[in-house]
Amino acid sequence: ETGVTQSPTHLIKTRGQQVTLRCSSQSGHNTVSWYQQALGQGPQFIFQYYREEENGRGNFPPRFSGLQFPNYSSELNVNALELDDSALYLCASSLPGYTGELFFGEGSRLTVL
Amino acid sequence: KNEVEQSPQNLTAQEGEFITINCSYSVGISALHWLQQHPGGGIVSLFMLSSGKKKHGRLIATINIQEKHSSLHITASHPRDSAVYICAVRSGGGADGLTFGKGTHLIIQP
Repeated sequence: ETGVTQSPTHLIKTRGQQVTLRCSSQSGHNTVSWYQQALGQGPQFIFQYYREEENGRGNFPPRFSGLQFPNYSSELNVNALELDDSALYLCASSLPGYTGELFFGEGSRLTVL
Repeated sequence: KNEVEQSPQNLTAQEGEFITINCSYSVGISALHWLQQHPGGGIVSLFMLSSGKKKHGRLIATINIQEKHSSLHITASHPRDSAVYICAVRSGGGADGLTFGKGTHLIIQP
């Protein structure tokens, strides 16, 4: 039990639709990062939020966007869904700085048809 | 861009065996993480290293910064250790995300 919860756990969308995934951080953690994990692959870094501002981004297009709220919970939004967006989406919370241990949620599994 | 390579990709062993999983990376790092992922997806952080060696129960992680290499060892392996073990590195400061290896799929047979 990491204290990080994600919702929904599973969802199915069709190509072109939009999706919002949610993450509640562990108490006191003001940094949250999001990752995409395709089947059989390691996770890929999407972006990171610190105190409600995006402060790091991986190689993902602008249709992947996010928000962090004052209580440090976070959302990942994906517009214009494509088939290749089908993946497990993981969020991880931590204290700020590169020495912070990461606490992962169980993930949201998105299927795009 | 850091490249992270893990070996082996798949490993099947008998209960009680000593297990070693290796991780190599191409660019200097600020931290290296060893993670465990069970079927269903949830990831648990096992270790975070920037130098030396750490031990937790039957798990030991080491890192050699000069050689850009880390190992995860499991002593007295047990079927409940069966999982995917992932190495991930942070190349720069706190805003840089992790770069992950593809994982090592470990099966411990009773």
